[in-house]
Amino acid sequence: EAGVAQSPRYKIIEKRQSVAFWCNPISGHATLYWYQQILGQGPKLLIQFQNNGVVDDSQLPKDRFSAERLKGVDSTLKIQPAKLEDSAVYLCASSKTSGASYEQYFGPGTRLTVT
Amino acid sequence: DAKTTQPNSMESNEEEPVHLPCNHSTISGTDYIHWYRQLPSQGPEYVIHGLTSNVNNRMASLAIAEDRKSSTLILHRATLRDAAVYYCTRVTGTYKYIFGTGTRLKVLA
Repeated sequence: EAGVAQSPRYKIIEKRQSVAFWCNPISGHATLYWYQQILGQGPKLLIQFQNNGVVDDSQLPKDRFSAERLKGVDSTLKIQPAKLEDSAVYLCASSKTSGASYEQYFGPGTRLTVT
Repeated sequence: DAKTTQPNSMESNEEEPVHLPCNHSTISGTDYIHWYRQLPSQGPEYVIHGLTSNVNNRMASLAIAEDRKSSTLILHRATLRDAAVYYCTRVTGTYKYIFGTGTRLKVLA
């Protein structure tokens, strides 16, 4: 079974530029998550989708971050414009469905450096 | 505060058991406790989860205190491949995952 795929693996941009990350979850997984992980910290949930609907985006900085999952499968996360403090690893995860008893499967992440 | 509290780092000798503690004193009745671990340059990997009872799987055991305010991840025989950052994670009834700052486990050969 293929795992969660993410691309690109690394990205370096200048501040005020825009950037997009792509995620393809495990086949059949209804729930998709985007996390931000700053160096030395645990992952912080940005947004959670159930199929193509948003379940929770309370910690997504909506003035600059956006995410979509149009067909309920793959997803993109965009930052526009980027700030220095956005430098982090962006992790995508999926689970069979929403529910506290279901484990998440994580992708390898995209390491973003904003200069 | 909904966060979990873990020691920053721990050390263990290879082939010995390891007990990784976690404090979640503000846990609600429907919150699950999940544990994930993360190797360098990789995404977190699921280890185990539980609600009230102790749980065992092929990777580890999870002991949950009777009042559910703390839990302990038990690796029965640490190997060098178990060296990682271990995250104790609260999963709320509204399916929100709250990761702590993690414990960096060092395994000595």
